Amino acid sequence: EPEVTQTPSHQVTQMGQEVILRCVPISNHLYFYWYRQILGQKVEFLVSFYNNEISEKSEIFDDQFSVERPDGSNFTLKIRSTKLEDSAMYFCASSTTGSTGGYTFGSGTRLTVV
Amino acid sequence: AQSVTQLDSQVPVFEEAPVELRCNYSSSVSVYLFWYVQYPNQGLQLLLKYLSGSTLVKGINGFEAEFNKSQTSFHLRKPSVHISDTAEYFCAVSPGGSQGNLIFGKGTKLSVKP
Repeated sequence: EPEVTQTPSHQVTQMGQEVILRCVPISNHLYFYWYRQILGQKVEFLVSFYNNEISEKSEIFDDQFSVERPDGSNFTLKIRSTKLEDSAMYFCASSTTGSTGGYTFGSGTRLTVV
Repeated sequence: AQSVTQLDSQVPVFEEAPVELRCNYSSSVSVYLFWYVQYPNQGLQLLLKYLSGSTLVKGINGFEAEFNKSQTSFHLRKPSVHISDTAEYFCAVSPGGSQGNLIFGKGTKLSVKP
């Protein structure tokens, strides 16, 4: 069964550093998403990406964050100047048809900012 | 704005017993409804979804859910659980018209005991 692959599974970074979280969505999917889950809290929507541009973003997704699809297969989330409160599990997801199709989620990257 | 409430943070149950995980939502627009399951150290897997039509939807692993518009609920049920059903279960809604941004509940940890 096709999978969404996320790397790394766990990343530790120092406060103020930049991190790039990587995702390989399912090849024929057209919609891409990033979500995050702070420990003990809800899974929260960050951003959706379609047709090579951001289609929607939440209030969380401020200038500190950016997304890119650099080569047609990878989908990355960059966090500039990380803060302690950025520590969370970050999930990538992809979908063929947006909400009606449901998503396929990756296993997540646990980001720890120290 | 939409919101999702999962009333029970933890549900312990014995093997082969029935279980119901409760989910209520609030929305001023029509929504799509989903249940996801997260096994330890894995991503979110779609259990079932309600888009329209029959209010009783069946999903994988013997789970089913019933959409009740008047009560704004979408409770998840299974008539007989197995040890392997131990996981965290998330209810989510997607506002109609969006490209699929999911709004999640806080999750319910189902613990099946022998």
